[in-house]
Amino acid sequence: AQSVTQPDIHITVSEGASLELRCNYSYGATPYLFWYVQSPGQGLQLLLKYFSGDTLVQGIKGFEAEFKRSQSSFNLRKPSVHWSDAAEYFCAVGGADSWGKFQFGAGTQVVVTP
Amino acid sequence: DTAVSQTPKYLVTQMGNDKSIKCEQNLGHDTMYWYKQDSKKFLKIMFSYNNKELIINETVPNRFSPKSPDKAHLNLHINSLELGDSAVYFCASSRRGTGNTGELFFGEGSRLTVL
Repeated sequence: AQSVTQPDIHITVSEGASLELRCNYSYGATPYLFWYVQSPGQGLQLLLKYFSGDTLVQGIKGFEAEFKRSQSSFNLRKPSVHWSDAAEYFCAVGGADSWGKFQFGAGTQVVVTP
Repeated sequence: DTAVSQTPKYLVTQMGNDKSIKCEQNLGHDTMYWYKQDSKKFLKIMFSYNNKELIINETVPNRFSPKSPDKAHLNLHINSLELGDSAVYFCASSRRGTGNTGELFFGEGSRLTVL
């Protein structure tokens, strides 16, 4: 069965500091991995995705993520956060056969302090 | 132009009532979904339609009935609303097929509050 664990429920980071959000997954086949961001009262926006090839993927808003098969991880990073990065971040796993039945993690809330 | 649009954005209603949420996508996608986000922000799939055919039907009470009149529209009707139905319901769409990774494009959500 597929599952996603985001170990950090809540992270507080200073503006300008780096950010790393952790994601561990379990999936029986080749995973497709995604990070989404949800601002308050908004829908989910895709930040980046991995399905094959280069294990370091670049996304929008200056985010990147690295797929590590040996660790079943897909951690999200940003070198320097902006106040507008305060939001809820969701990691999700799916696959070619999943028909969009993604398993989402519980989310990590990011608070950015001045 | 909003890619995936849902209406209404907010619904407040009494227990026992029936309500509907509508969704439309203009992305040309062939698959649409309903996801439910509970008060703890946990997201879980409810239904999925591919080319108007129901392909995913999770363990959801039969008070919930989706309908897809065409590839661009997916509606959700809920009968006899209960307190536990209070949640944010997200519509999403994706494109399947070779070369597509099927990432989901979400609407802004419809917040349902049952009193």
